[in-house]
Amino acid sequence: DAGITQSPRYKITETGRQVTLMCHQTWSHSYMFWYRQDLGHGLRLIYYSAAADITDKGEVPDGYVVSRSKTENFPLTLESATRSQTSVYFCASGGSTGVLTFGAGSRLTVL
Amino acid sequence: DAKTTQPTSMDCAEGRAANLPCNHSTISGNEYVYWYRQIHSQGPQYIIHGLKNNETNEMASLIITEDRKSSTLILPHATLRDTAVYYCIVSRGSNYKLTFGKGTLLTVNP
Repeated sequence: DAGITQSPRYKITETGRQVTLMCHQTWSHSYMFWYRQDLGHGLRLIYYSAAADITDKGEVPDGYVVSRSKTENFPLTLESATRSQTSVYFCASGGSTGVLTFGAGSRLTVL
Repeated sequence: DAKTTQPTSMDCAEGRAANLPCNHSTISGNEYVYWYRQIHSQGPQYIIHGLKNNETNEMASLIITEDRKSSTLILPHATLRDTAVYYCIVSRGSNYKLTFGKGTLLTVNP
């Protein structure tokens, strides 16, 4: 099915563990984004990618790593999870219109 | 990107038009006005965008003032399902980077 999918939808992990959130889109959009959303802070951009093998930092990149080896995938890795990274993570992609389409979100809890 | 100012919350009766204002007085000539909404716990959803002219689609209408310093999103016949946080964002369309503010919580009442 066409669209943008995130996995897992829910994840509970412990402090210090590595966690990878996956994002897959079927439109071959050039741009992909990762946002996090916390109460009181709204949506904040973590990282974005303009094309395969091109990534750049957003507003809150510390503690996160991204890669984009294929156009359709944009995984987000927390190399050593901290409690402050408990959040809802949204992936988005954008094509030629400048409009973003968001995934359903991944809710991460770090104990 | 230019900053935007929106009311924190608004109420609307079901079936009536919802008019959501946004101030973007520092907007520059190549910046678009985008509207997204986020229904509780879901990902943000694109509604409409425009540069200078008024725009309409199946979801809403966007009215941009002639000086482009403010705009209004109009939901012509609000339903309970339109209860959501509505974000007004100003951005150059070419870089896609959207900065989300706090938005307006629109509550549609029966």
